[in-house]
Amino acid sequence: EAGVVQSPRYKIIEKKQPVAFWCNPISGHNTLYWYRQNLGQGPELLIRYENEEAVDDSQLPKDRFSAERLKGVDSTLKIQPAELGDSAVYLCASSFSGTSPHTQYFGPGTRLLVL
Amino acid sequence: AQSVTQLGSHVSVSEGALVLLRCNYSSSVPPYLFWYVQYPNQGLQLLLKYTSAATLVKGINGFEAEFKKSETSFHLTKPSAHMSDAAEYFCAVSAAGSARQLTFGSGTQLTVLP
Repeated sequence: EAGVVQSPRYKIIEKKQPVAFWCNPISGHNTLYWYRQNLGQGPELLIRYENEEAVDDSQLPKDRFSAERLKGVDSTLKIQPAELGDSAVYLCASSFSGTSPHTQYFGPGTRLLVL
Repeated sequence: AQSVTQLGSHVSVSEGALVLLRCNYSSSVPPYLFWYVQYPNQGLQLLLKYTSAATLVKGINGFEAEFKKSETSFHLTKPSAHMSDAAEYFCAVSAAGSARQLTFGSGTQLTVLP
C-alpha cells in the first residue's frame, strides 16, 4: 500500500515569493492534516480536513497561508508571500475516520528554506 | 486541553544497552497516546499506540511502552539498543473523544554509541 506522498521534498525560495506544497493521502483516508515542524520541535497542526471540508484551521495564519482539498483527495498548501520565519518542514498526514483512534500516517515532508 | 512533556531532548546509550525515553502527558479526559520515530529527512513513523486496552503496548522494532495513569506517564523502552535506532522520537497525546487532535512533545534525539 502506498503511503502519503508529498512534493516537492525540498524548496528554497526568497522571501516574499509564493510557494505551494502538494499532498496525496493514503487511498481511502478521508481525513487529511497539514502540520508545520520547526527545527528541534514537534509538529504543530495547521489545518485538518474531513473530506473536502476544513474543520480545524484555527492555527493556520490566514493572512498568508491558504489550503484546499478538492474532491476530498489531494491537497495543496500555499504560502504567499513567504517570510523568513516560514522556514520549516511541512508535513502532511492522513487517517481513516472509520477506525479508532484515527491513527495518523505521515508523509516524508517538504523542507522549506526561505532566504 | 492536553499536553506532552518529553524529559531529555538528547539521550545517548551504548549499543546493546537499555533504551528509556520519557514521556509525561496531561489530559482532562482519558487519552490515547502514541510514539512516533523520525529518521533524518523523513516523515514520522508510528512505533506504537495506547488505546485504553492493555497498559503495556508492544510496537515495531522491539519497542514497548507502558501506560501508567497514576504517574501520567507513557515511557518508551527497548531492552537492547541497535545502531539503527538512532533517530528522533516523539510522544503524542489525543483525547479519546477527539482522536484526530494530536498534540506532540518536543522530541528526544536518541544517539546510539558503538
